[in-house]
Amino acid sequence: DAMVIQNPRYQVTQFGKPVTLSCSQTLNHNVMYWYQQKSSQAPKLLFHYYDKDFNNEADTPDNFQSRRPNTSFCFLDIRSPGLGDAAMYLCATSRDSSGRFNEQFFGPGTRLTVL
Amino acid sequence: LAKTTQPISMDSYEGQEVNITCSHNNIATNDYITWYQQFPSQGPRFIIQGYKTKVTNEVASLFIPADRKSSTLSLPRVSLSDTAVYYCLVGDRGSTLGRLYFGRGTQLTVWP
Repeated sequence: DAMVIQNPRYQVTQFGKPVTLSCSQTLNHNVMYWYQQKSSQAPKLLFHYYDKDFNNEADTPDNFQSRRPNTSFCFLDIRSPGLGDAAMYLCATSRDSSGRFNEQFFGPGTRLTVL
Repeated sequence: LAKTTQPISMDSYEGQEVNITCSHNNIATNDYITWYQQFPSQGPRFIIQGYKTKVTNEVASLFIPADRKSSTLSLPRVSLSDTAVYYCLVGDRGSTLGRLYFGRGTQLTVWP
């Protein structure tokens, strides 16, 4: 089945130790998104790629970076995780970013714990 | 982007119809209304999207009055598995370039 896959599902890192979360998709969608969702809060958009074009949200900290080496894969790099970065990180895709129908398909998320 | 207001929580019993209303007083002409569902420890899932009047699919209906300042998600005959958070989002699919800005959502709890 076509889907959005996130690895790992659970990640533990130490304060200040860089960590990378990965997302892959078999939907061949143009757009890939990263969201941060803290406990009992709504998902918050960090950034997205339209193909190779990177679009950062204005309030996304510099500590968060992203890479998209090809259509199928997208990575979230947290350069120096702090305790406040502990959250669920959600990857999503959409066929296009605008137009009549831009439904987003979400992966299961990676839960990040910072010790 | 138009701000949305939803009830924080709702309770229902199995087999009942549930209606969740979302207020979006500042909705713009080009804005569409979209609802997502999220189960614990899972990503949100698209439920339904509409612009005006009524939209129905296999899981829900969306009612939008003529002034479009509110919308109502209707879930027929809910079951325990419908317990989830439901998010109402409003945005211009052109200008927002696909970005989704989630509000607080409504926690629906279905009881046996």
